[in-house]
Amino acid sequence: DIQMTQSPSSLSASVGDRVTITCQASQDISHYLNWYQQKPGKAPKLLIYDASNLETGVPSRFSGSGSGTDFTFTISSLQPEDIATYYCQQFEDLPFTFGPGTKVDIK
Amino acid sequence: EVQLVESGGGLVKPGGSLRLSCAASGFTFRSYCMNWVRQAPGKGLEWVSSISTDSTYIYYADSVKGRFTISRDNAKNSLSLQMNSLRAEDTAVYYCAKHLRRNTVEDAFDIWGQGTMVTVSS
Repeated sequence: DIQMTQSPSSLSASVGDRVTITCQASQDISHYLNWYQQKPGKAPKLLIYDASNLETGVPSRFSGSGSGTDFTFTISSLQPEDIATYYCQQFEDLPFTFGPGTKVDIK
Repeated sequence: EVQLVESGGGLVKPGGSLRLSCAASGFTFRSYCMNWVRQAPGKGLEWVSSISTDSTYIYYADSVKGRFTISRDNAKNSLSLQMNSLRAEDTAVYYCAKHLRRNTVEDAFDIWGQGTMVTVSS
């Protein structure tokens, strides 16, 4: 199975700050990487697919990059509504696997 | 509106069975692979199972293989998960989720249901 790691596990930032989360795969997954946002008590929401494509309707302050084993997710200007846990997920091979999540809150 | 609505969760004893359902609307259900993903209380996301558009291809996580069965009824726009021999570690919110693109087995999950809670406890 492909293992996914994320860092940091949590972070606290101010409104307007640039926030960066990294995700690493245990083997080359090309661009087969997605990012999800999950708010407490809610279902996950797809933000970024294929490593860098913004899902329809998602604000442009969210972005993703990377390929192979190393990926980055960025919020260019943190907003109060961005408080959530963010997960990366690989779909290069079954079983699909998720990273452990990064909890983002406001300082 | 594209929507997935799960039902069937509840409290069940270890070794018991439960059948989850997911009703789909607002999109051409028969054209998309479907999935079940679960989340134990306070934990991360775990993919459980996927089924192709015509049920030809079915995949399971090792943790549920041999105990869970995924199925779909394209005429009724519904997805199901039959869960047998349930264990305490199966306790989780179960989400059904739709693939982003048509006719692909490996893809992102763009639409999720609200989830249904399954609790396995004596």
